[in-house]
Amino acid sequence: AQSVTQLDSQVPVFEEAPVELRCNYSSSVSVYLFWYVQYPNQGLQLLLKYLSGSTLVESINGFEAEFNKSQTSFHLRKPSVHISDTAEYFCAVISTGGGNKLTFGTGTQLKVEL
Amino acid sequence: DAGITQSPRHKVTETGTPVTLRCHQTENHRYMYWYRQDPGHGLRLIHYSYGVKDTDKGEVSDGYSVSRSKTEDFLLTLESATSSQTSVYFCAIRPGTGGGEAFFGQGTRLTVV
Repeated sequence: AQSVTQLDSQVPVFEEAPVELRCNYSSSVSVYLFWYVQYPNQGLQLLLKYLSGSTLVESINGFEAEFNKSQTSFHLRKPSVHISDTAEYFCAVISTGGGNKLTFGTGTQLKVEL
Repeated sequence: DAGITQSPRHKVTETGTPVTLRCHQTENHRYMYWYRQDPGHGLRLIHYSYGVKDTDKGEVSDGYSVSRSKTEDFLLTLESATSSQTSVYFCAIRPGTGGGEAFFGQGTRLTVV
């Protein structure tokens, strides 16, 4: 069975500081990996995804994530955060071997402070 | 935005009553999912569908049933609502081709009193 672990439930950070949100997954087969963002009282929006190829993937608003197969990780990073990045971030996994269950982590609340 | 609509958006119901939530899509995507979101638990999969009349259980399926008689509609039913089912429910859709991301509805806030 697949699973996702997000080690930090909350991450406070000052504006313009770098941030890393951690995500580890477990699966016995190949996976697709996703990061979603949820702003208050809204649904989830895709931030970025890893399907295959380059292990470093980027979003349009400056976030990036690196797929590390040996460490089964897909950590999300941003070199300089903005107040508007305050939101909850979810890591998710689908095993490519079938089933198509989309499994989420418990989420990390990013709070950017002045 | 992906064409996905959840109804109702808000509902208050009494313990023991049946409740049905609807998810409607206009994208003709193969996969549809129902999740519940609770503080500290993230999104937990209730049921999902991989085609018309093809459904499977998720990790928290007890007390819930689903039906998908048409590609565009995926219904979630709480046969006899309990206070533990108070939650925000999200529907998601995903295309049939491998690797496609899921698109989410705006959610349904259900309160069982």
